[in-house]
Amino acid sequence: DAGVIQSPRHEVTEMGQEVTLRCKPISGHDYLFWYRQTMMRGLELLIYFNNNVPIDDSGMPEDRFSAKMPNASFSTLKIQPSEPRDSAVYFCASSPPGVAGELFFGEGSRLTVL
Amino acid sequence: GENVEQHPSTLSVQEGDSAVIKCTYSDSASNYFPWYKQELGKGPQLIIDIRSNVGEKKDQRIAVTLNKTAKHFSLHITETQPEDSAVYFCAASNPRNYQLIWGAGTKLIIKP
Repeated sequence: DAGVIQSPRHEVTEMGQEVTLRCKPISGHDYLFWYRQTMMRGLELLIYFNNNVPIDDSGMPEDRFSAKMPNASFSTLKIQPSEPRDSAVYFCASSPPGVAGELFFGEGSRLTVL
Repeated sequence: GENVEQHPSTLSVQEGDSAVIKCTYSDSASNYFPWYKQELGKGPQLIIDIRSNVGEKKDQRIAVTLNKTAKHFSLHITETQPEDSAVYFCAASNPRNYQLIWGAGTKLIIKP
């Protein structure tokens, strides 16, 4: 298996632009998580899905952030409009059925907002 | 709220020596405790985990111990090697939801 695949690996954009991050989870995994990692705040859970349905989005910082999972093999995290404080590494992770906490992470998308 | 504290934040050990990282958790309902290793430029990777019905688990040079009464668990790495250098995160999960509560991380440095 190729593991969790994220794109792009690096994104540099200007404040106010729309950013879309993409994730392909491991086949057969039914949970998908979006995390944000910064030096100041560590790993923060933004949102997670179960069987393509958003379960908890309480970690999404504000309305500028949105996430979708249109099918079992694809998810997006969108920031519109982006701000410099959104600069971070965004990770997608998936988890197999019935194993709470056993997350498989992608390599991350490093976002820099100028 | 639920919290996981992790110590130390940085640990430097001589190659070949042992390293111990400790975590405490606040939610007594937590029943799953994974440890993740994050190398530079990569995502965290699960290296070992333990469930609340056991006190210790080993996998080659790494082991995890759990004390449910005291609500703390530890990662032990023996015979450390340069490739063990990374940031290690502990976490705790409970059966009420799928959310992991993460520690702040420990940067482990292996000195040659």
